Amino acid sequence: EPEVTQTPSHQVTQMGQEVILRCVPISNHLYFYWYRQILGQKVEFLVSFYNNEISEKSEIFDDQFSVERPDGSNFTLKIRSTKLEDSAMYFCASSSGTSGDIQYFGAGTRLSVL
Amino acid sequence: AQSVTQPDIHITVSEGASLELRCNYSYGATPYLFWYVQSPGQGLQLLLKYFSGDTLVQGIKGFEAEFKRSQSSFNLRKPSVHWSDAAEYFCAVKANAGGTSYGKLTFGQGTILTVHP
Repeated sequence: EPEVTQTPSHQVTQMGQEVILRCVPISNHLYFYWYRQILGQKVEFLVSFYNNEISEKSEIFDDQFSVERPDGSNFTLKIRSTKLEDSAMYFCASSSGTSGDIQYFGAGTRLSVL
Repeated sequence: AQSVTQPDIHITVSEGASLELRCNYSYGATPYLFWYVQSPGQGLQLLLKYFSGDTLVQGIKGFEAEFKRSQSSFNLRKPSVHWSDAAEYFCAVKANAGGTSYGKLTFGQGTILTVHP
């Protein structure tokens, strides 16, 4: 069964450093998402991406965050200058369409900001 | 804005016992409803979904869920739990075709299921 792949599984970084989290969505999917889960809290929506542009973003997704689809297969989340509070599990998801369709999730990247 | 409440943070059951995990949602119309499961080190796996039609939906691994509009609930059930069902379970809602935020999922807090032998 096709799956969403995320790398790395765990990323440790120093506060103020830039990090890039990588995702390979399912190959024929058109819609891409990032979510995060701070330890002990809900899974929260960050951003959705379609047709090479952001279609929706949450209030969490401020100027420190950016997303990109640099080629035909990867989808990345960049945090420009990490803060302690960015420590979380970050999930990538993809889907074939929007209304009513199913989002498939990767295993996540655990980001630890020291 | 849509929201989801899972009132039980942690549930413990014995293997072979029945299971019900509660989920209540808040949304202006009938949303799309999902249950996902997360095992340690794994991603979120879809168990089942409700879009329309029959309010009792069947999913993978022997799970089912019932949509009750009057109670704004979408509880997950399994008649006989297996040790391998131990995981964290998330209820999620997505706006339907008439909504403006029809892409994003809104998740509940999650319920951790422990299964005793």
